Amino acid sequence: DSGVTQTPKHLITATGQRVTLRCSPRSGDLSVYWYQQSLDQGLQFLIQYYNGEERAKGNILERFSAQQFPDLHSELNLSSLELGDSALYFCASSVGTTGNTIYFGEGSWLTVV
Amino acid sequence: GENVEQHPSTLSVQEGDSAVIKCTYSDSASNYFPWYKQELGKRPQLIIDIRSNVGEKKDQRIAVTLNKTAKHFSLHITETQPEDSAVYFCAAPSRDDKVIFGPGTSLSVIP
Repeated sequence: DSGVTQTPKHLITATGQRVTLRCSPRSGDLSVYWYQQSLDQGLQFLIQYYNGEERAKGNILERFSAQQFPDLHSELNLSSLELGDSALYFCASSVGTTGNTIYFGEGSWLTVV
Repeated sequence: GENVEQHPSTLSVQEGDSAVIKCTYSDSASNYFPWYKQELGKRPQLIIDIRSNVGEKKDQRIAVTLNKTAKHFSLHITETQPEDSAVYFCAAPSRDDKVIFGPGTSLSVIP
């Protein structure tokens, strides 16, 4: 157990819908990262937050948004869902920013039908 | 921009042989280089990491070597076992704090 908690573990939804994925970082970690992993693909960096502020942005679609709340948990919002958004979405956390070990949650499996 | 390449994409070895995976990064400011192992359907887990002030680090059958001049680092697994079969990812942080992962290497250890 990495200490990073993600909910829901599995989610099936229809095209055009909106979903919210939730992440609680490890106790004491200030950074939260979101990654997307499609079938047989690598880990695509979406976005990083540090202590409530956006720190770095990757290839995150405009239909996607995220935030980190004062209690440090984070949410990833995916809207106008398309079939191609089906993937495993990982949240990860670390103590600080660059140069710190990143710990991954178990992931949220999103299936868009 | 930042870029992390990883080779080979697939690797098949006989049990007991060694496996080597190489990762190349582009941002010279990178100073921390982790390797993660991901089993099918599970989360990536850190197996070893190295910082830019050392050239090599070893942990039992796993070692990582770093060449900062050439901007590459490698994962070495000796005496491979079937349970080493997984996808391995390297990562390198960029100067703007993005932590970019390589595309992954699928390692198969044949009993």
